[in-house]
Amino acid sequence: QKEVEQDPGPLSVPEGAIVSLNCTYSNSAFQYFMWYRQYSRKGPELLMYTYSSGNKEDGRFTAQVDKSSKYISLFIRDSQPSDSATYLCAPDQGGKLIFGQGTELSVKP
Amino acid sequence: GAVVSQHPSWVICKSGTSVKIECRSLDFQATTMFWYRQFPKQSLMLMATSNEGSKATYEQGVEKDKFLINHASLTLSTLTVTSAHPEDSSFYICSAREASGGATKTQYFGPGTRLLVL
Repeated sequence: QKEVEQDPGPLSVPEGAIVSLNCTYSNSAFQYFMWYRQYSRKGPELLMYTYSSGNKEDGRFTAQVDKSSKYISLFIRDSQPSDSATYLCAPDQGGKLIFGQGTELSVKP
Repeated sequence: GAVVSQHPSWVICKSGTSVKIECRSLDFQATTMFWYRQFPKQSLMLMATSNEGSKATYEQGVEKDKFLINHASLTLSTLTVTSAHPEDSSFYICSAREASGGATKTQYFGPGTRLLVL
């Protein structure tokens, strides 16, 4: 079993849709949970992070962690074509990031 | 703020040659830098962690004699792929964590270096 599981997609949605991206993880010791966005042939860009369980909102993005079920979510409201990218969840393990496979998102105009 | 650069952005080399990739934190000091490799349609795989002034820690399965890492200053780490072969062709990405990062442990990533070994 991988430490972090993420549906690779691809996920295609129309512009304006609400997008839900999810990860599950196995290590209950994870405390920090990062979400990165990676455009094709570019390095990952930090979107946001959360500590322990709870929600965090930043503009159109909301990150949610449920430690009891080891489930991480990223919601994108009013999705835009410019949101088309691969989204990577990455719990932090003692300073190391454990990346999921990434979900490829395509937002169609 | 928190900009990380990599040089070169892409490189093509002949099999058997060595290639050096630089990773720089431009506006912050990084005590720790990380090197990742990413194959097409796959996630980032951590190769090694380097701390300024000390030897790098390599992940299981990564050959330390093939992937030489030097972290000589708080703003520069280098990865040298020695005697590169076609199977080393990949996208190499570095990241850096601020010396004063506190509890957030945020890593900032460089734009990546695409290596093609012929």
